[in-house]
Amino acid sequence: DAGVIQSPRHEVTEMGQEVTLRCKPISGHNSLFWYRQTMMRGLELLIYFNNNVPIDDSGMPEDRFSAKMPNASFSTLKIQPSEPRDSAVYFCASSLASGGAIETQYFGPGTRLLVL
Amino acid sequence: DAKTTQPPSMDCAEGRAANLPCNHSTISGNEYVYWYRQIHSQGPQYIIHGLKNNETNEMASLIITEDRKSSTLILPHATLRDTAVYYCIVRVGGGGSNYKLTFGKGTLLTVNP
Repeated sequence: DAGVIQSPRHEVTEMGQEVTLRCKPISGHNSLFWYRQTMMRGLELLIYFNNNVPIDDSGMPEDRFSAKMPNASFSTLKIQPSEPRDSAVYFCASSLASGGAIETQYFGPGTRLLVL
Repeated sequence: DAKTTQPPSMDCAEGRAANLPCNHSTISGNEYVYWYRQIHSQGPQYIIHGLKNNETNEMASLIITEDRKSSTLILPHATLRDTAVYYCIVRVGGGGSNYKLTFGKGTLLTVNP
């Protein structure tokens, strides 16, 4: 299994530009998570999808952030417009959620975003 | 979910056992203990989880005290590649709404040659 795939692995952009991060979850998984990691705030959950439907987006910082999951094998996290404080490592994770069962989240390698 | 307390850092000699403690004194009866680790520049990696019995897998052992207020992750023969931040997380098991992993600051384990 290829694991969770994220692209790009590194992104450098200028303030005000649109940034799109991509994630391909593990085949067969039905839950997808976007996390952000910074030195100051650690690892934070941004949004959680189950069966392609956003269930919890309470961690999304503000309206500049949006996430979509058009199908079971693809998700995007978009920042528009980007700001320097958005610089962080963004992780995507997926899991197989079935009622009553323990689920393990598998993380991708992350996208390192630097907004100048 | 219950809050966890871990030492910020620990050292271990290569080849020796690494014992990482975690306190979770407010854990509820239906909450599991999970351990993840994050090697530098990589995404977090699942290690092991347990409810009340001790657990062992190919990566580690998890010892949970009888009152479940604390646990210890044991890496039996630490290698340099085990140098990472180790996170102890407590959460209710199962799918549905019980999906959240709340990562604290973890313990930075440094394995020395």
